[in-house]
Amino acid sequence: GENVEQHPSTLSVQEGDSAVIKCTYSDSASNYFPWYKQELGKRPQLIIDIRSNVGEKKDQRIAVTLNKTAKHFSLHITETQPEDSAVYFCAANAGGTSYGKLTFGQGTILTVHP
Amino acid sequence: NAGVTQTPKFRVLKTGQSMTLLCAQDMNHEYMYWYRQDPGMGLRLIHYSVGEGTTAKGEVPDGYNVSRLKKQNFLLGLESAAPSQTSVYFCASSSTVPGLAGRSYDTQYFGPGTRLTVL
Repeated sequence: GENVEQHPSTLSVQEGDSAVIKCTYSDSASNYFPWYKQELGKRPQLIIDIRSNVGEKKDQRIAVTLNKTAKHFSLHITETQPEDSAVYFCAANAGGTSYGKLTFGQGTILTVHP
Repeated sequence: NAGVTQTPKFRVLKTGQSMTLLCAQDMNHEYMYWYRQDPGMGLRLIHYSVGEGTTAKGEVPDGYNVSRLKKQNFLLGLESAAPSQTSVYFCASSSTVPGLAGRSYDTQYFGPGTRLTVL
């Protein structure tokens, strides 16, 4: 089955700096890659996703890049703010008839210091 | 539109007790999922359902059972709780979106979670 590895497990940055979180996946048939943000005690919430037919997608201060050949995708947050502090999860779907099943990475704890 | 809701929010069980967690969604989604979240291990899929009356095993199904008698509800049962089942449980739902080459992939919407402690 699909295996998703996420790095780093913790990331500490100063306010205004950029943050990058990287994920690799194993199933070459995967075609959907969402990123979720989870604040302490809250539910995971989708912040951005990318389909396999594009290499990059941007939404204001966040962007995601996908390299299908290398089977990795990354989340980029620019001009970080203290409210960006949270746990971030990447995920990848199983290829083919996957019924939307996702495999999640282990998570990255992002801390933005004022 | 409440989205995805879960009951209860918190529960403490003794080893060997049973309980049922309820997930409800009002978005008319076909697919529903149960995950558990443990520190450092991300979200792991327990069971899922692709429609009313259907269920299937996920990555960590042992010790759990599920039922989907109505499209909007997905129940997760623990018949004989064990301390290893102490976790935060999340339900999610999704709909299908037509995609490339006839494949479909979907955005999952999560419930608020249930924190379960088994003593």
